[in-house]
Amino acid sequence: AQTVTQSQPEMSVQEAETVTLSCTYDTSENNYYLFWYKQPPSRQMILVIRQEAYKQQNATENRFSVNFQKAAKSFSLKISDSQLGDTAMYFCAFAGGNYQLIWGAGTKLIIKP
Amino acid sequence: DVKVTQSSRYLVKRTGEKVFLECVQDMDHENMFWYRQDPGLGLRLIYFSYDVKMKEKGDIPEGYSVSREKKERFSLILESASTNQTSMYLCASRRDPLTEQYFGPGTRLTVT
Repeated sequence: AQTVTQSQPEMSVQEAETVTLSCTYDTSENNYYLFWYKQPPSRQMILVIRQEAYKQQNATENRFSVNFQKAAKSFSLKISDSQLGDTAMYFCAFAGGNYQLIWGAGTKLIIKP
Repeated sequence: DVKVTQSSRYLVKRTGEKVFLECVQDMDHENMFWYRQDPGLGLRLIYFSYDVKMKEKGDIPEGYSVSREKKERFSLILESASTNQTSMYLCASRRDPLTEQYFGPGTRLTVT
């Protein structure tokens, strides 16, 4: 069975710093998708970034980028120049051949002013 | 913008009551999902529907049922609420399996 592990339950950094959230997964599939979702306090979950496993290039969305290491089954999220609005729960998710998402437990990220 | 709405943000019910959680999306999405979110466990899939009147069990369907009579609406039913069903319930929809899921604001259900 596929699993997704986020080893950091909580992290905090100062505003403007760079922070990296870790995610590892376990699968025997070769083609799959990986996602990072963000859930701000009392607000809706939104997609941050997505990576297709067949693409070697790491996905980037403005200040958000991923380090996708397929062989190591690692998919970390880097947030550059962190802002107060980045404070949220961050979830890593995996979608294999059945396209259903398998979710990690989440990392609570606090950006301090 | 895609909009997914849920009928209640907060709900308090008594043990044994029948509970209905409603979810509506306005973007003609084929697929809809009900998740349960608990601290330290992430999101767990209860049921999903890939088309009207179609439903599939997720990872934790016990104690729940669903209904999808119209494309835009997906209802989660707790036939007889129990205290271990106290949780945050999230609804999501997507156009097809290769696109992102859009989430509602969640319903925090407390069963006493």
